[in-house]
Amino acid sequence: DSGVTQTPKHLITATGQRVTLRCSPRSGDLSVYWYQQSLDQGLQFLIQYYNGEERAKGNILERFSAQQFPDLHSELNLSSLELGDSALYFCASSVGDRGLEDTQYFGPGTRLTVL
Amino acid sequence: AQKITQTQPGMFVQEKEAVTLDCTYDTSDQSYGLFWYKQPSSGEMIFLIYQGSYDEQNATEGRYSLNFQKARKSANLVISASQLGDSAMYFCAMTVSGGYNKLIFGAGTRLAVHP
Repeated sequence: DSGVTQTPKHLITATGQRVTLRCSPRSGDLSVYWYQQSLDQGLQFLIQYYNGEERAKGNILERFSAQQFPDLHSELNLSSLELGDSALYFCASSVGDRGLEDTQYFGPGTRLTVL
Repeated sequence: AQKITQTQPGMFVQEKEAVTLDCTYDTSDQSYGLFWYKQPSSGEMIFLIYQGSYDEQNATEGRYSLNFQKARKSANLVISASQLGDSAMYFCAMTVSGGYNKLIFGAGTRLAVHP
């Protein structure tokens, strides 16, 4: 158990809908990262937050947004869902101030299926 | 652009033997970090080992060691005394300075341990 929690574990929805994925980081970690894992794209970085502020953006679609709250939990919002958004979405957390060796610990993931 | 290449889509090994999973990386940065993660069939991503670009010694964590050859830009994972529970996908990943620690992942290698 990494200490990172994600809810829900599974999500099945229809095209055009909007969903929210939730993540609670490990105790003491200030950085939260979101990744998408799909069969065709592999593991892709989406976005990073550090202590409530957006720090880096990756291949995140405009239909997707995220935020980190004062209690450091984070939410990833996916809207106008398409079939191609079906994937495993991971949240990871790290201390956030250890430079390149700042190890990211991953949550169990949310498996999103868009029908 | 930074890139991780894992050329072995699948590997198998006999229980109790050692196995090497290959990873090469491409970056023009002098400062970078290299990570290996394990993803069992249950889906979670488990951190295994870290190697910094300036580390002179190869990293070791229990049965895992990282064979770091900087001139060849390789960071192979060696698993000694394989166990049935080692059967999983293994991902090599990299962080680079200025990248805010986003992980760049390879495509992964699926390892099967046979009794």
